[in-house]
Amino acid sequence: AQKITQTQPGMFVQEKEAVTLDCTYDTSDPSYGLFWYKQPSSGEMIFLIYQGSYDQQNATEGRYSLNFQKARKSANLVISASQLGDSAMYFCAIRTDKLIFGTGTRLQVFP
Amino acid sequence: DVKVTQSSRYLVKRTGEKVFLECVQDMDHENMFWYRQDPGLGLRLIYFSYDVKMKEKGDIPEGYSVSREKKERFSLILESASTNQTSMYLCASSLGGNAGRVKTQYFGPGTRLLVL
Repeated sequence: AQKITQTQPGMFVQEKEAVTLDCTYDTSDPSYGLFWYKQPSSGEMIFLIYQGSYDQQNATEGRYSLNFQKARKSANLVISASQLGDSAMYFCAIRTDKLIFGTGTRLQVFP
Repeated sequence: DVKVTQSSRYLVKRTGEKVFLECVQDMDHENMFWYRQDPGLGLRLIYFSYDVKMKEKGDIPEGYSVSREKKERFSLILESASTNQTSMYLCASSLGGNAGRVKTQYFGPGTRLLVL
């Protein structure tokens, strides 16, 4: 069975600073995908970034990058130059045959 | 862009009522999913469907059923709503096929259901 762990229930960061949101996973499947989603207070889940288990390079999407350390089974999300609009819940997820979510980290960006 | 819509953003129902939550996607995705989201528990998969008229139980199917008569529409049904089904319900869709395991799921805006 696969499992996702997000140990930070909440994080604070000042505007324009970088922040790292932690995610560790566990799976015995050699082929899997790792995802990060953002959920603002409006409720919708917004796909941010994807990393495949066989991808050699860390995924990047604009200000988002995924620090993928396969041996340590970690897939941390790095947000550079935080903006006030980044305040939201962030969920890490792993997909083998189905998508399993972590419990999320609430990020608050302050001016 | 993928668009996934859900019929209601907010819904209030009474215990014992039959509740229908509708989800429609416009990208011809094969796979559709229903999740519920509760504080501290993250998202949990209720049911999913890989094709029209096909359905599979997720992790917490008890008290729910689903219907997929058309490819673009996936309905979640609470046969007799109970207070412990008060939650946020999220629908998602993704491409299918053999590479389906790494396909991104796109979510709708969610329905906040309150059962009194």
